[in-house]
Formats: sequence, structure tokens, C-alpha cells
Amino acid sequence: GIQVEQSPPDLILQEGANSTLRCNFSDSVNNLQWFHQNPWGQLINLFYIPSGTKQNGRLSATTVATERYSLLYISSSQTTDSGVYFCAVDTGGGNKLTFGTGTQLKVEL
Amino acid sequence: GAVVSQHPSRVICKSGTSVKIECRSLDFQATTMFWYRQFPKQSLMLMATSNEGSKATYEQGVEKDKFLINHASLTLSTLTVTSAHPEDSSFYICSAMRQGTYEQYFGPGTRLTVT
Repeated sequence: GIQVEQSPPDLILQEGANSTLRCNFSDSVNNLQWFHQNPWGQLINLFYIPSGTKQNGRLSATTVATERYSLLYISSSQTTDSGVYFCAVDTGGGNKLTFGTGTQLKVEL
Repeated sequence: GAVVSQHPSRVICKSGTSVKIECRSLDFQATTMFWYRQFPKQSLMLMATSNEGSKATYEQGVEKDKFLINHASLTLSTLTVTSAHPEDSSFYICSAMRQGTYEQYFGPGTRLTVT
């Protein structure tokens, strides 16, 4: 099956700093989503981005499907950005998502 | 919009008993719902796909007789963990795919502890 690797696995930032999270996948995908899992376990949809670039406030994402990677940019980070960030991909087999390995982000004051 | 609820949020049960978890899409219809399992500090693993009005399809290695799934309406899917054992203790999360889109929306999860 498809492999989805995220980097870095862990990241500590000072509040106000910017960061880039990466998601590499091993096969062509029909769908790619980015999620933030908060400390209580809730997954929050950030982006549905099978290709191209999108922005939402301090967050933006870019997927280069031909090169099999996606990037999530967080600017001016806040403590509430802490949690785990997952990318998840669907290769077209019944809309099933395969989740990446995750990036654990901690934003400190 | 696109709110998904789960009930209960937390449950503790004795070994050998069965537990039912409900997943509801509150403000949209979902012909397809998914059930995931997440162990501490790990990623989400898909267990099964639940389609309204038909049998669920299970991922390789998931026992269908142990994890019973019912998708009786366009807004409700249930997961029943039968004859639970301590190794079934985990965080169970459902998602719902809004009709006409490919985007999945996730419930808040259910933390199951089997003693």
C-alpha cells in the first residue's frame, strides 16, 4: 500500500515563529487532506488540497501531486497551534484515507 | 457546517462485555462513514468503511465479527465492540463523508478502556 511520511516528527517553536511541515507520499493520490489533532483528540479539517495552493488565515498549504509531496505552512505560530498535524491521502480506492506519521508541534511562550 | 458527533466520549467496560459507539453527522447527510482506531502516540488506522444500507467493508486484519458496524440511516453509523478484551482498549474515531464531496469530517472520538 501507499506510504505516507511526514517530517519533522517533532517540532518545538517559540510563539510568533513560522514553520513548514512536509508530507511525502509514495503513489499518485486523488485526495489529500491536512488535519490538526488537538490535545483532546479532535481532528480539525485544515485543508482539502489534492493539488495547488490554498490559504486560510495564518495557514497555507501547497500540494505538488506530480512530485508526490505536500507542505503545510504555519506563520506567526500561537500556543493554540500545538498538537499533532496529520496529512492523509486517498489513492482512489473507495475514498479511504491513509494517514501519515504525523508531526507533533509544541508552541511555547 | 459539517459537524460529526460521537457518543459516548469515554467508556469503561469489563472484559467480555459489548460496547456500542454511535457516530452521527449532525448537519449533513453521509452515505459513507469510516471507523478508525488510534493507539497512544500513533497515527490513525482505518478499520472499516460503512455504507448506508449495505454491509461494511473491513480492512485487512480487522475482525468483522468482533467489530460490528451498522449504517442504518444517512446520518448514523454504529460500531459495536463485542466481547471486549483489554487489548481492544483504544481511541476510536469515526468520520463522515459529505454527499457530493470527497472530504471527510471527523467526530471527537471515543476512548474505550476494557478492564
